[in-house]
Amino acid sequence: EAQVTQNPRYLITVTGKKLTVTCSQNMNHEYMSWYRQDPGLGLRQIYYSMNVEVTDKGDVPEGYKVSRKEKRNFPLILESPSPNQTSLYFCASRISQGPNSPLHFGNGTRLTVT
Amino acid sequence: AQKITQTQPGMFVQEKEAVTLDCTYDTSDQSYGLFWYKQPSSGEMIFLIYQGSYDEQNATEGRYSLNFQKARKSANLVISASQLGDSAMYFCAMRSNNAGNMLTFGGGTRLMVKP
Repeated sequence: EAQVTQNPRYLITVTGKKLTVTCSQNMNHEYMSWYRQDPGLGLRQIYYSMNVEVTDKGDVPEGYKVSRKEKRNFPLILESPSPNQTSLYFCASRISQGPNSPLHFGNGTRLTVT
Repeated sequence: AQKITQTQPGMFVQEKEAVTLDCTYDTSDQSYGLFWYKQPSSGEMIFLIYQGSYDEQNATEGRYSLNFQKARKSANLVISASQLGDSAMYFCAMRSNNAGNMLTFGGGTRLMVKP
């Protein structure tokens, strides 16, 4: 089944403790991205990657890191999480070609930083 | 910069009736795409429908149709014959070539279908 897989689904951590949210897609998509969703703000892009070894900042990159060593994986790293990073996070992917290619989303990771 | 505005934070609709969810956008680009996503209470994001800026006809996908008015920069989602399972958050989004192909989302509309 074609899908984007994020892990974990739920994560509770404490301020300053490094964490990684994994994302993997099996559709051979070139483009991958991370979003955070907060009430009233919709989804805001954190980082995106057009292909392997190519990453760029989105609208809200502060406090996050990403890497794209392989086409299928795009982990999100919080080196020193803070309470304002408590949010619902989505990984997404799509083919690069074609303006109408929709984003395929993972099921989300709900992160709580205390 | 591109911007998406959804002015209806929440809406009710009676089961089996049609409902329109509003979306307006702002961009200086001529080539762009508009998307609608559904987010049920379980949290996943489900792609519903797409409209390209150069498409002459309004997009349709089953019970979903997009009322695209380019001059007014609006791309409203119409759901016909509402079902209880349509209760969810709905997000309008836009992508344009000149904005780095980034998908920009509106704040969403929560639709509640009454039996």
